[in-house]
Amino acid sequence: GAVVSQHPSWVICKSGTSVKIECRSLDFQATTMFWYRQFPKQSLMLMATSNEGSKATYEQGVEKDKFLINHASLTLSTLTVTSAHPEDSSFYICSTYPRETQYFGPGTRLLVL
Amino acid sequence: QKEVEQNSGPLSVPEGAIASLNCTYSDRVSQSFFWYRQYSGKSPELIMSIYSNGDKEDGRFTAQLNKASQYVSLLIRDSQPSDSATYLCAVLFGNEKLTFGTGTRLTIIP
Repeated sequence: GAVVSQHPSWVICKSGTSVKIECRSLDFQATTMFWYRQFPKQSLMLMATSNEGSKATYEQGVEKDKFLINHASLTLSTLTVTSAHPEDSSFYICSTYPRETQYFGPGTRLLVL
Repeated sequence: QKEVEQNSGPLSVPEGAIASLNCTYSDRVSQSFFWYRQYSGKSPELIMSIYSNGDKEDGRFTAQLNKASQYVSLLIRDSQPSDSATYLCAVLFGNEKLTFGTGTRLTIIP
């Protein structure tokens, strides 16, 4: 069965608005969540690592003030794309690793008009 | 040099044949190795994990690991059209972050 859920699966928004993506771990406590982004026909790119109760660690080149990550509980991490622009249109995927194996959520496809 | 390398393909294999996907990695201090399958528009799905040298079989899938050669492969026997996808090789290095290859696009020809 599914290990990680994401919501929403699809979102279309106007340029300049903010979008929040939720990632939930199912039936286990996730102290660490990974957020990835994937552009069409490209590989996964790790954006940041969120740790429950502490600040997220961002990869080089990822703007922490634009991509706000909150990991306030052991089952929920959120990614907020602030002031989204068309170039932020992408497939966003969260991931975590119960039992030393990394599983991915179903992903959220964001389209910024 | 990239840490995890895969041939991007596309790799075309006739239905019923064996598909062989290869992956090399650059760091000897690596712990775990994974193969993920990603269908177009979907998120990656774990297919196989392998931790020690040798072969590991699961149904039609066999993962092979050779740490001395820094090489991990995935064999798919009796290939089916539903196996058509992009296959991502991933290596867990000592810093506990999975590093992915760019993926190999596999097409099974009916």
